[in-house]
Amino acid sequence: DVKVTQSSRYLVKRTGEKVFLECVQDMDHENMFWYRQDPGLGLRLIYFSYDVKMKEKGDIPEGYSVSREKKERFSLILESASTNQTSMYLCASRGAVTGELFFGEGSRLTVL
Amino acid sequence: AQSVSQHNHHVILSEAASLELGCNYSYGGTVNLFWYVQYPGQHLQLLLKYFSGDPLVKGIKGFEAEFIKSKFSFNLRKPSVQWSDTAEYFCAVNVSGGYNKLIFGAGTRLAVHP
Repeated sequence: DVKVTQSSRYLVKRTGEKVFLECVQDMDHENMFWYRQDPGLGLRLIYFSYDVKMKEKGDIPEGYSVSREKKERFSLILESASTNQTSMYLCASRGAVTGELFFGEGSRLTVL
Repeated sequence: AQSVSQHNHHVILSEAASLELGCNYSYGGTVNLFWYVQYPGQHLQLLLKYFSGDPLVKGIKGFEAEFIKSKFSFNLRKPSVQWSDTAEYFCAVNVSGGYNKLIFGAGTRLAVHP
């Protein structure tokens, strides 16, 4: 089974802090994604990566950056956290270009 | 811009009732279609998918969905729901071209009462 592991299930940060969310997948997938999930808005794509050191902006990249130094690891960075970034963050990976996404359990971030 | 619409945000049913959740997308090209489910406290998982061929696809746990190209729809159905189907359901569309990102609908929360 594909396993996508997100390092932190729950985080509480203060406004202005730098936040790192880590995601690791164990299936040698090329594609990795970061979404945020908010009630009534579904999942919105923040960034995705189709290869090591390659990244593309999703629909809501503002306030976020990403890093993909190794194939199995995709990090989401909030340079200066703000209260409107309080959300559930979901990491996913995908092997084939049109295949299904495999999701991690999510990281619930609260910014005070 | 491409979008996915799920018509019902909240659905409440009794056990054994039939279920149909609507999903429409706005994209004229080739698409791959998915339904994902998120049970309480669990991660998102794939329920079923359509890539090509028979427009009626069957998924896990008795769910099925029908792709109607002329209506840009991919509605999810189940003839008889169970309490364990209580979850949030997301329709998603994989848009061809570019890097094939997956676009999700807003989700439908289903509550099934015994």
